[in-house]
Formats: sequence, structure tokens, C-alpha cells
Amino acid sequence: KAGVTQTPRYLIKTRGQQVTLSCSPISGHRSVSWYQQTPGQGLQFLFEYFSETQRNKGNFPGRFSGRQFSNSRSEMNVSTLELGDSALYLCASREESGRFRTDTQYFGPGTRLTVL
Amino acid sequence: EDKVVQSPLSLVVHEGDTVTLNCSYEVTNFRSLLWYKQEKKAPTFLFMLTSSGIEKKSGRLSSILDKKELSSILNITATQTGDSAIYLCAVEAWGSSNTGKLIFGQGTTLQVKP
Repeated sequence: KAGVTQTPRYLIKTRGQQVTLSCSPISGHRSVSWYQQTPGQGLQFLFEYFSETQRNKGNFPGRFSGRQFSNSRSEMNVSTLELGDSALYLCASREESGRFRTDTQYFGPGTRLTVL
Repeated sequence: EDKVVQSPLSLVVHEGDTVTLNCSYEVTNFRSLLWYKQEKKAPTFLFMLTSSGIEKKSGRLSSILDKKELSSILNITATQTGDSAIYLCAVEAWGSSNTGKLIFGQGTTLQVKP
């Protein structure tokens, strides 16, 4: 099976702009989570989607939002970009259906966002 | 507040050495502990541990969980330069609606010199 894919891989934006990142999970995986990775804070959980519903959210401001489509692909959006939003944004998917759910999340290569 | 702490933060060894990486956690509603290896890009999955005292092994890597001590170790024997990476420990915690999230430690940066 193909792994988790993310687009674009690199992005440069300026303060105040908004950005949309895309993630396609492993085929058959319906749960998608997003993480932000920075040198200072490490990897931090943003949110998790399952069946087009956000079911868990980390401690990030409302400028960070996301959604999931019926084919399980997910997008995250950051509005009014700040310098501190520069980071590697990682998407991860896991297998889940009915009562079965694995804790193992598989990560995509990430989108490197630079805010100038 | 839930937290995961790894030690050491960085480590430099020579090929052939054995290393032990540590992970401790304070997490409510613990469900499992995972180890990942991160080189230039995506963290790649190594192990998932849910039961205390049961060692998981893959080649030269092994890991064990101690739920009484709220900790885990990752051992790498006969290290090679290809083991150079950041090793991440994460704990899966379940929220009120039975939804999980991974809480990551800061990572241990391992450098293996020839």
C-alpha cells in the first residue's frame, strides 16, 4: 500500500496570509491526525478527524482549522499566518473501523511551512 | 498536564556501541506507548507497547514498558551509522470521548560515529 502523502512538501508564505495543506491517508485508513513540529516545542497534536468529524483537538488557536472529506483525505488551514507558525506539519493516519482501532499512527513526509 | 520526557536529549556513540534511550511519562488515561525513528522527514514506526514487562524486539532494537515506573526504554545494540536519527517516544492518551492523541517527548538525537 502507498504511504501517507502530503502536499505541498514546501511552502513559503508571508505574515497575514493563509495556507491550506493536504493529506491523503493510507488506503483504508479513516482516521487522520495533524501535528506541528518545531525545534522548540517538538511534536504537538493539532487535531484528529474520523468520518469527516473532528473528534479531538489540541491547544492551538482558532486560526488552525481542518476538515476531512468522504474519501478520508484531510486538509488543514492556517489563517492570518504568524512567524511562529513556521514549522513542519505532519499528518498521520491509522486504521479504524467499527470497534477495531489501532494505536499505531503512520506519518507522512510533512509540509515544511516557512512564514516570512 | 500530560507530559512525556525523554533522556538523554542527545547522545554521541561509536559504531558497535550499545545505547539505551529512556522515556518517562505522566499521562492520564494511558493507553499505549510508541517509539518512532525520525531521520530527515517522516517519523517511522518502531514499536508499540501496551503491557508491562513484555519486550518487543526487531533486529538490533528492543523496547520494554514498565507501567509501575511509568517508563520505557529503547535499546539499540551494535549501533551503526544508519541508526543516527532522532528517536521519539509518544504516549497514546484517551480523552473523554474515547478519542486518542499522541503526546510526544522532546526526542533523543543519536549520532553514531564510524
